[in-house]
Amino acid sequence: AQSVTQLGSHVSVSEGALVLLRCNYSSSVPPYLFWYVQYPNQGLQLLLKYTTGATLVKGINGFEAEFKKSETSFHLTKPSAHMSDAAEYFCAVSGISGGGADGLTFGKGTHLIIQP
Amino acid sequence: DAGVTQSPTHLIKTRGQQVTLRCSPKSGHDTVSWYQQALGQGPQFIFQYYEEEERQRGNFPDRFSGHQFPNYSSELNVNALLLGDSALYLCASSPLDYTGEQYFGPGTRLTVT
Repeated sequence: AQSVTQLGSHVSVSEGALVLLRCNYSSSVPPYLFWYVQYPNQGLQLLLKYTTGATLVKGINGFEAEFKKSETSFHLTKPSAHMSDAAEYFCAVSGISGGGADGLTFGKGTHLIIQP
Repeated sequence: DAGVTQSPTHLIKTRGQQVTLRCSPKSGHDTVSWYQQALGQGPQFIFQYYEEEERQRGNFPDRFSGHQFPNYSSELNVNALLLGDSALYLCASSPLDYTGEQYFGPGTRLTVT
C-alpha cells in the first residue's frame, strides 16, 4: 500500500522568494516519486520524477526535488518564485509490481499563491 | 505529436443514468490509466488497462468499468450515476518501456444532477 501526505493545503510566497512544497510518502515497494502541476481547468503536467539513481532531480521551470529515503520525503523547491508558478501542485508515488507500472497515488495537493 | 486526448470535454447527466468517456493515448503508449478528481482533491486511481485487460484497479465499485481497444484507446463506463460521481475524469497513458511518468489528458468534467 502507498500513501502521500502533502503538508499545507495552501502556501503563499512573495515573487522572487524561495518556494518549498512538502511531500512525505509511504510505500511497501521501492517508490517512484513525481511532482505534477495543474493549472485551472487543465490536466496534470509532469514537473519532475525520481525513479532510481541521483536523489536530487531537476525538472521543468526551475523546479527541483530531493529524494530522502531516511525521511521518506520528496520536497519540491524553486529558488525564486514567479507569478506564473501560481497553480495546484500534486505529489504522487508509484511502484513497479507484476512486471508493470502501478497506478499513481496522489496527495491532496498544495495550492501555491504568489504575492506580487 | 498529439498528446493524450479525451472526449467529451464536459458532460451533464442525471442521477441513475450511464455515461461513457473516451481516451486516446499518446502515440507509442500502450498503457492507459483512469483517475477521478473530485473538486479540491487529488486524483484517485480508478483502474489501468494494458493489452486490452484490466491490469490493476483502485478502490472503486463495479459500477465503474472500462475497456481498451486494439489501437490502445480506452473507454470508462459508469453505471447508475450518483451525485457523488460528479468530478473531473482524467486519462493518463504510459509507454511500453515504462520510465515512471504518466502523461495526462485535459480531462472530462462530469456533472451529475
